[in-house]
Amino acid sequence: DAGVTQSPTHLIKTRGQQVTLRCSPKSGHDTVSWYQQALGQGPQFIFQYYEEEERQRGNFPDRFSGHQFPNYSSELNVNALLLGDSALYLCASSLLGTINAHEQYFGPGTRLTVT
Amino acid sequence: AQTVTQSQPEMSVQEAETVTLSCTYDTSESDYYLFWYKQPPSRQMILVIRQEAYKQQNATENRFSVNFQKAAKSFSLKISDSQLGDAAMYFCAYRTQYGNKLVFGAGTILRVKS
Repeated sequence: DAGVTQSPTHLIKTRGQQVTLRCSPKSGHDTVSWYQQALGQGPQFIFQYYEEEERQRGNFPDRFSGHQFPNYSSELNVNALLLGDSALYLCASSLLGTINAHEQYFGPGTRLTVT
Repeated sequence: AQTVTQSQPEMSVQEAETVTLSCTYDTSESDYYLFWYKQPPSRQMILVIRQEAYKQQNATENRFSVNFQKAAKSFSLKISDSQLGDAAMYFCAYRTQYGNKLVFGAGTILRVKS
C-alpha cells in the first residue's frame, strides 16, 4: 500500500521565480492538504483540495495556488518566490466522509530553498 | 481562531524512563480532535496518538498515552519506557470536528540519552 509521496525531495530556486511541488495521496484517499513548515516551527495550513476544488484556505497570499487532478494527486504552485518562502512543504492526504476522515497521512515533504 | 501552545522547546529523558510532553490549546468549540505527531530527522510526520474530545477516556497506544483535561484545555503526552527511536520533534495538533485543517503547536524536541 503506497503511502503519500512528494516530489521533488529538494529544490533550490531564486527570488522571483515560480515553483511547482507535487503530491500523490495515499492509495484510496481523495483529499489533499498542503502545509508549510518553516525551520524550527510547526506546520502551517496552506489549503486543502477535494473533488478538484479548494475547500479551505489558510492565511497565505494568492501567490500560493494549487490544483487537484482527477486521480486525486495535487500540485502546489508558488509564484514570485520570496526568501521567506524557504521551508519544508508537507502534503497530507485523507479520505473525506469516513469515520477516519480526521486522520491525515503525511508525505516526506519537499525542502524548498529560495536564494 | 484555535491556537495550540507547547511550552517546552526541548526535553531530555534517559532511556527506559518516562517523559511527559505538555500541550495546551484554546478553542470555543465543544467537539474536536487532538493529535500528537512525531517528526524524526527523516522529516516524515507520523501520527502517534489521537483523542476525540467527546471521549472522557484517555487514549493509549502501547507506550504512549495522553492526559486529556478538557476543562483545562490541556493535552499532555506520556512516553513510557523511552527508547532511542523515540528521539524526534513532537507536535501537538488540533482539528475541529467538521473542519479540515490541523493547527499545530511549535513543537518539542525530545532527546533520549543512553
